[in-house]
Amino acid sequence: RKEVEQDPGPFNVPEGATVAFNCTYSNSASQSFFWYRQDCRKEPKLLMSVYSSGNEDGRFTAQLNRASQYISLLIRDSKLSDSATYLCVVNMGLNTGGFKTIFGAGTRLFVKA
Amino acid sequence: ETGVTQTPRHLVMGMTNKKSLKCEQHLGHNAMYWYKQSAKKPLELMFVYSLEERVENNSVPSRFSPECPNSSHLFLHLHTLQPEDSALYLCASSQEDSTGELFFGEGSRLTVL
Repeated sequence: RKEVEQDPGPFNVPEGATVAFNCTYSNSASQSFFWYRQDCRKEPKLLMSVYSSGNEDGRFTAQLNRASQYISLLIRDSKLSDSATYLCVVNMGLNTGGFKTIFGAGTRLFVKA
Repeated sequence: ETGVTQTPRHLVMGMTNKKSLKCEQHLGHNAMYWYKQSAKKPLELMFVYSLEERVENNSVPSRFSPECPNSSHLFLHLHTLQPEDSALYLCASSQEDSTGELFFGEGSRLTVL
């Protein structure tokens, strides 16, 4: 089983649509969770952290369910500029006190006019 | 100055060549990372340096040799690579006692002929 698994995609949606991405992780000791965005031929950049209580940033809502080891990202009112690959990311603690960051394979989103 | 800079941005090398990738971070972080991104695969963690000491080596072949002379600089020395090593190599940095967010450079796209 992969450490972090995501919907394979691609998702093709019209402008204004609501789209949801799902992600599961295998290590129950994982400590922190993120969604990153990666544009074509660019580096990944942090979109938002994910907290157990759920958190929202404008049109983006992230949820974490530790019991199910499940993370989600909801994008409302999609814009053309939302087209990108969305990476589910999990941090696991290391014995050294640092952490190891594991990336999912990413889900590609295409928003069309 | 951008936070994390990588050079060169593009590199073409033969299998018998020796080359190095360079990464510099201007964010005052205490951890640096090398990731490999191949087409349609998740980012693969290669090396982690925390406070200039290597704390993680994900079974990377010895033809890849990292060097971290100080907390701001990270190198990846390459020798006798194989064509399957062609990929985007991303450097990242983070502050280990903080949120865990990774800041990536723009990457070095490597082609091995």
